[in-house]
Amino acid sequence: GQQVMQIPQYQHVQEGEDFTTYCNSSTTLSNIQWYKQRPGGHPVFLIQLVKSGEVKKQKRLTFQFGEAKKNSSLHITATQTTDVGTYFCAGSSGANNLFFGTGTRLTVIP
Amino acid sequence: SAVISQKPSRDICQRGTSLTIQCQVDSQVTMMFWYRQQPGQSLTLIATANQGSEATYESGFVIDKFPISRPNLTFSTLTVSNMSPEDSSIYLCSVQFRAGGDTQYFGPGTRLTVL
Repeated sequence: GQQVMQIPQYQHVQEGEDFTTYCNSSTTLSNIQWYKQRPGGHPVFLIQLVKSGEVKKQKRLTFQFGEAKKNSSLHITATQTTDVGTYFCAGSSGANNLFFGTGTRLTVIP
Repeated sequence: SAVISQKPSRDICQRGTSLTIQCQVDSQVTMMFWYRQQPGQSLTLIATANQGSEATYESGFVIDKFPISRPNLTFSTLTVSNMSPEDSSIYLCSVQFRAGGDTQYFGPGTRLTVL
């Protein structure tokens, strides 16, 4: 079955440092989405990438979709304590449901 | 986006009993899903709730254990039947406005503890 893996599983950074999480799918995706889940909260949609090689930015967040549409990354520049949470990628094969990645839990040390 | 509510927000139940979780959306949506999330883990899709027909279950989940209803385009229920401590988890509903792997919006979740 389809699998979506993320690395690293955990990341601790000092406030102000950069952070990157990587997402890899076992199959080619039609699109990939990123979600953020704050501690005690529910996943919240951040962005969707559709095109091969696509790069999108949201303030300090940069999202990239690989050329082969099987991997993606999320990079946060100059982390802040508000960035704390678990970041999930979720891939779509074109069917109705999404395959959520294993998640990367980010801790930001003030 | 969508505003999604879930009831109850949390519950503590005895082994062998059943709990029904409700999911209400403030607008009509095409797709509704039910997920389970163990603490510190990713989301596991239980089933897709289909309006007016039987839900579509993922591997490892069966209708007898997790009966699902979806009577209309804004409401769905998930029942966790004959509960055991292994069913302790957070249960989340999510919605999509369009089919085909579109953006999902999640409810706040129901935290279930089975003693």
